[in-house]
Amino acid sequence: QSALTQPASVSGSPGQSITISCTGTSSDVGSYNLVSWYQQHPGKAPKLMIYEGTKRPSGVSNRFSGSKSGNTASLTISGLQAEDEADYYCCSYAGRPGVFGGGTKLTVL
Amino acid sequence: EVQLVESGGGLVQPGGSLRLSCAASGFTFSSYWMHWVRQAPGKGLVWVSRINSDGSITTYADSVKGRFTISRDNAKNTLYLQMNSLRAEDTAVYYCARRGEGHYAPLDYWGQGTLVTVSS
Repeated sequence: QSALTQPASVSGSPGQSITISCTGTSSDVGSYNLVSWYQQHPGKAPKLMIYEGTKRPSGVSNRFSGSKSGNTASLTISGLQAEDEADYYCCSYAGRPGVFGGGTKLTVL
Repeated sequence: EVQLVESGGGLVQPGGSLRLSCAASGFTFSSYWMHWVRQAPGKGLVWVSRINSDGSITTYADSVKGRFTISRDNAKNTLYLQMNSLRAEDTAVYYCARRGEGHYAPLDYWGQGTLVTVSS
């Protein structure tokens, strides 16, 4: 069982916005603004999309945004595109390295 | 361009050993902490181990502690993972990843992974 809880799947139509939640505890997500989000297409390596909760690495579309409220972090993808269909993982620092969520499969209808 | 290329995966019997390598290029390898993360077939990402820039500090997940050893050769720009006493549950794609600059930085670059299959 993952330390961070994500929905198994979400879906949306092209052009819509979707939000993926990542629920932790006051010991990880709630205590640190250190949530990162990774996108993984089938058979590919994970790609960093958001770090420190809200920051985007160079080259990542501004359609991707991150936020946090209490013990829950969220990834929002606006203007959904076909190429956004992938698995998404959250990760939070928790006084120890690499606490990942179980992953969310995003389907673009 | 940052590149991380893993190798060394394959089929091994339970109780066997395997050494994975991760060749790094496009950045000053000796300046960065490096990690191994694995992903069992159809499952999520699980952190395995990390090593600091000069190799003097290593950390392991409880599930591999005492069986796996992470190391690096900064002269060869290569990260290693020695895996002993392998179990079926170690079957996974193993990724090496670079931690960005700063103690709390995310894993900003990942390799394509190498598949380890533990089966008789």
